Amino acid sequence: AQKVTQAQTEISVVEKEDVTLDCVYETRDTTYYLFWYKQPPSGELVFLIRRNSFDEQNEISGRYSWNFQKSTSSFNFTITASQVVDSAVYFCALNSGGYNKLIFGAGTRLAVHP
Amino acid sequence: DADVTQTPRNRITKTGKRIMLECSQTKGHDRMYWYRQDPGLGLRLIYYSFDVKDINKGEISDGYSVSRQAQAKFSLSLESAIPNQTALYFCATSGTANEQFFGPGTRLTVL
Repeated sequence: AQKVTQAQTEISVVEKEDVTLDCVYETRDTTYYLFWYKQPPSGELVFLIRRNSFDEQNEISGRYSWNFQKSTSSFNFTITASQVVDSAVYFCALNSGGYNKLIFGAGTRLAVHP
Repeated sequence: DADVTQTPRNRITKTGKRIMLECSQTKGHDRMYWYRQDPGLGLRLIYYSFDVKDINKGEISDGYSVSRQAQAKFSLSLESAIPNQTALYFCATSGTANEQFFGPGTRLTVL
């Protein structure tokens, strides 16, 4: 069975703090894809990153970075020097089994305060 | 213009009414999906379609039906709406790169 767990329901930080959002996934497939999406208060889903199971390189994009570790089935997301505009719900998702169906975690609500 | 559009964006209806949510895409993708989002549960798959002749049930299809009228259009219907179908509904499309592109969402309230 495939499953995505985001254990942190809500996180509250002060601006400029670093924050890490955890994502743990379960799948028996050897080929799969992992995603992070951002949902700002306006409600739309914004794609942040896709990572396939054969690429364990960490990725950095500006203040965002992702740490993919197959050994622990984790795909964690770090925001460096957080800003108020980072306040949103963040979803981790798994695409596994070759059917392009996304399995989402429950989401982590991040509140960044001035 | 947005690649994936959903209409209506907001809808309030009453228990027992039939409701149709529409999704259109200009990305030329064969694969389309309907998800619902409930607080604390993330997004859950209702139905998906890999082409016009292929419709599949997702995780939570009970109480819903879909129609793939064309490659670009995928509609979700609630035959007899009930209050626990109050949710945010998302349509998505996918090509071959395993990335899904989401519409802006439809907020449905069933009274």
